[in-house]
Amino acid sequence: DTGVSQDPRHKITKRGQNVTFRCDPISEHNRLYWYRQTLGQGPEFLTYFQNEAQLEKSRLLSDRFSAERPKGSFSTLEIQRTEQGDSAMYLCASSNQRDTYNLVLTFGAGSRLTVL
Amino acid sequence: SQQGEEDPQALSIQEGENATMNCSYKTSINNLQWYRQNSGRGLVHLILIRSNEREKHSGRLRVTLDTSKKSSSLLITASRAADTASYFCATVPYSGNTPLVFGKGTRLSVIA
Repeated sequence: DTGVSQDPRHKITKRGQNVTFRCDPISEHNRLYWYRQTLGQGPEFLTYFQNEAQLEKSRLLSDRFSAERPKGSFSTLEIQRTEQGDSAMYLCASSNQRDTYNLVLTFGAGSRLTVL
Repeated sequence: SQQGEEDPQALSIQEGENATMNCSYKTSINNLQWYRQNSGRGLVHLILIRSNEREKHSGRLRVTLDTSKKSSSLLITASRAADTASYFCATVPYSGNTPLVFGKGTRLSVIA
């Protein structure tokens, strides 16, 4: 296992197009998280899953954002009708939630989105 | 929303010097963590300190936590050019089921 994998690493799209990012977590981790990071800021939480259940999605930025984890393994984050303000780094992380009070996230390298 | 606020926002030091970064947070926490991010990359976990601990060491890193002041500091001793990165504090709020909440980070530059 080589850690958390994200694909693509960089996506350039035109405003109004849909984009999808994929995240493959560490195989034994049951929780998967999506964060967004804009330039000069810290990661901003979007949503997370425990196995295939999406436990929190109220922080998704708008109804144009959706995430799935259909079989409790990989996850996808889709942004519909992209806007220039969606340009950011989208980070995926995973964790083993057996230890609730010592939650440590392992991050992927991120998917950078540029909306023209 | 971002709970933690790091200070300073940017820090530039010479190789061999110590670097100190501070973090303040707002709500009660289970633990506080520090992460490092090299430019354009993902974050890497450095160290975790529990709410009932006051100080923790890991190699050249020393973290302190003052829950009465809701603040933490990260000290990197004998800094190296390879320590150049952004450093973020992150808190696990007391509810225990809320994911990590990150601050805005401190950008550290270590000049050789």
